Amino acid sequence: DGGITQSPKYLFRKEGQNVTLSCEQNLNHDAMYWYRQDPGQGLRLIYYSQIVNDFQKGDIAEGYSVSREKKESFPLTVTSAQKNPTAFYLCASSVPTGANVLTFGAGSRLTVL
Amino acid sequence: DQQVKQNSPSLSVQEGRISILNCDYTNSMFDYFLWYKKYPAEGPTFLISISSIKDKNEDGRFTVFLNKSAKHLSLHIVPSQPGDSAVYFCAAKEWGFGNEKLTFGTGTRLTIIP
Repeated sequence: DGGITQSPKYLFRKEGQNVTLSCEQNLNHDAMYWYRQDPGQGLRLIYYSQIVNDFQKGDIAEGYSVSREKKESFPLTVTSAQKNPTAFYLCASSVPTGANVLTFGAGSRLTVL
Repeated sequence: DQQVKQNSPSLSVQEGRISILNCDYTNSMFDYFLWYKKYPAEGPTFLISISSIKDKNEDGRFTVFLNKSAKHLSLHIVPSQPGDSAVYFCAAKEWGFGNEKLTFGTGTRLTIIP
C-alpha cells in the first residue's frame, strides 16, 4: 500500500540536543511538507520541497533544517536553536496540481525533557 | 496574521442531526479550499475540497459551501454519526505556480452525542 511513513512515533530529547525525524513516501509525489501542530494553533508550515535538492522555508522555519536528496525522503532536523520544540510533527506529500490535496503521515510526537 | 480562521474551537451535535463547521479567510488569492478530519495522535485525512469558482461541492454526507463575497465557507455533515467526532481543519491554497502549500485554520473539535 502506498503511503507516508514517519518515524519515530514518539521521541524524547534533552535540551540542547539535535534530533532528526524521518519521513518516507512511496506515492511518487513530487512535493513534500513538514507541519507542526500545537494545541489551539492548528497546523503551521515549517518547510516544504517541490523537487529534489530544493526546499523553501515555511512560516516557522527558525530552529529547523531539512534536506531532500531523494524524491522519497524528506527528513526534518529539530536543532537546539528551536526554542519550543515539544510538539506533534506531521509530514505530508502531494502532487501539486489543482487543490493540491496533501496526504499526511501518522505524525511524530517530540517531547523535550 | 491568521489568513484562515476557525472561530469555534468546539461544537457538539446530536447523532443524526446536521453538523455545520465554519471557516473564514482573508486572502483573496486563495483558489482552493479543503477540509481535513483529524483523530488524536494521527495525521489529518482529506475530506472534501472546493474551487473558488464554485459555490457548492458535495460528496456523500459532506457538503462544502463557499461564499466568496463574505470570504466564508462551511462544511455540512448530514446525518452526523459518532465516527464523525474529530477535529476538523479548514485549509486554503493560493493560486499560482510555487504557491502549492496549504494554509490551515486552528481547527474545530466536533463531538457527536449519541
